[in-house]
Amino acid sequence: SYVLTQPPSVSVAPGQTARITCGGNNIGSKSVHWYQQKPGQAPVLVVYDDSDRPSGIPERFSGSNSGNTATLTISRVEAGDEADYYCQVWDSSSDHPGVFGTGTKVTVL
Amino acid sequence: EVQLVESGGGLVKPGGSLRLSCAASGFTFSSYSMNWVRQAPGKGLEWVSSISSSSSYIYYADSVKGRFTISRDNAKNSLYLQMNSLRAEDTAVYYCAREAGKRAFDYWGQGTLVTVSS
Repeated sequence: SYVLTQPPSVSVAPGQTARITCGGNNIGSKSVHWYQQKPGQAPVLVVYDDSDRPSGIPERFSGSNSGNTATLTISRVEAGDEADYYCQVWDSSSDHPGVFGTGTKVTVL
Repeated sequence: EVQLVESGGGLVKPGGSLRLSCAASGFTFSSYSMNWVRQAPGKGLEWVSSISSSSSYIYYADSVKGRFTISRDNAKNSLYLQMNSLRAEDTAVYYCAREAGKRAFDYWGQGTLVTVSS
């Protein structure tokens, strides 16, 4: 089955840029989506189809996807961005196609 | 406003059964595929199951295949997850999620906790 690997944690100072990677075999050929989850809350979609933002999501959140790595970039990080982030793809070649990454805890120093 | 409200969680013994429901409102339910996603305590997100808008296409994670059954009632704007032969490792918060374009999950419910313990 398809596996998505994320770093367990990323630390960043306020105002700096956080980059969260999501590794998968030829992930560049798939649409990647990113979710933010704060403690005790449901996940929120922050980037879909590699680099698009849902309405209401700040422009500070952006995404890219190429080769074997997709990346979520959070610019001008704020304290409120501290959360867990998950990547997700749909592996159409599988009979269990929904796949989430392992998750990354972003800590704002 | 899109709303998804899960219910039916609770404490159940190993080997027992439980049926989760997700009530949808604020959108044309019959036009969207829907999914169940779970999260064990302190762990990451795990996709569980998906059902297409007309129930023609259904998928399950290997971890639940043969034990869980997803269904929907478009007339009642409701999604269901019948869970049988429950195990301790099924303990999790279960979320229902609407599937948007490119298979992204754009709206989520608040979740319902299922605890499997003797």
